[in-house]
Amino acid sequence: GDSVTQMEGPVTLSEEAFLTINCTYTATGYPSLFWYVQYPGEGLQLLLKATKADDKGSNKGFEATYRKETTSFHLEKGSVQVSDSAVYFCALSAPEGKLQFGAGTQVVVTP
Amino acid sequence: SAVISQKPSRDICQRGTSLTIQCQVDSQVTMMFWYRQQPGQSLTLIATANQGSEATYESGFVIDKFPISRPNLTFSTLTVSNMSPEDSSIYLCSVDRDEGSGNYGYTFGSGTRLTVV
Repeated sequence: GDSVTQMEGPVTLSEEAFLTINCTYTATGYPSLFWYVQYPGEGLQLLLKATKADDKGSNKGFEATYRKETTSFHLEKGSVQVSDSAVYFCALSAPEGKLQFGAGTQVVVTP
Repeated sequence: SAVISQKPSRDICQRGTSLTIQCQVDSQVTMMFWYRQQPGQSLTLIATANQGSEATYESGFVIDKFPISRPNLTFSTLTVSNMSPEDSSIYLCSVDRDEGSGNYGYTFGSGTRLTVV
């Protein structure tokens, strides 16, 4: 079945460092891909999405490109802030409208 | 995108009791989804709720434990029945699109943080 694999955390960075969170997927069709963010004690927020190959999603300085050839959707940000500390989830739209989530990657940004 | 109001936001319940979680959407949607997030874990789909039909449950989840109602296109409830400490989790509802605008994007409620003691 469809699945999402993302790098394990926690990822600890200094402020202004470059962030990459790897995400790869397995799917039978052509899913849409998503990154969600969960700040401490809060619900899930959609960070960005891409609906077809070579699409680039971007939001709040974060970017991810839908790479069909490598089945990847890596999340990047050029200069992180302490406020970016959160858990990040990669997800794909499985058949029948469901979302299949990765395990989540905790990011800790220190001053 | 759709705005989802979910309540209660948190609750502490005694084992053996039941809790009903409500999810209200500000626009009509065909499909609503209920997820569980156990402590420190990712999200797992419990069931898909369509208006006018029984919910479709994922493997490992049963209607007797998690009955779902979907009386109209903007509202759904999830009940966690006969609770045990293992049911302590965050429960979230989600929709996949706004039927009115046609915008496609999975939106989540703010979640219900349940603790069973």
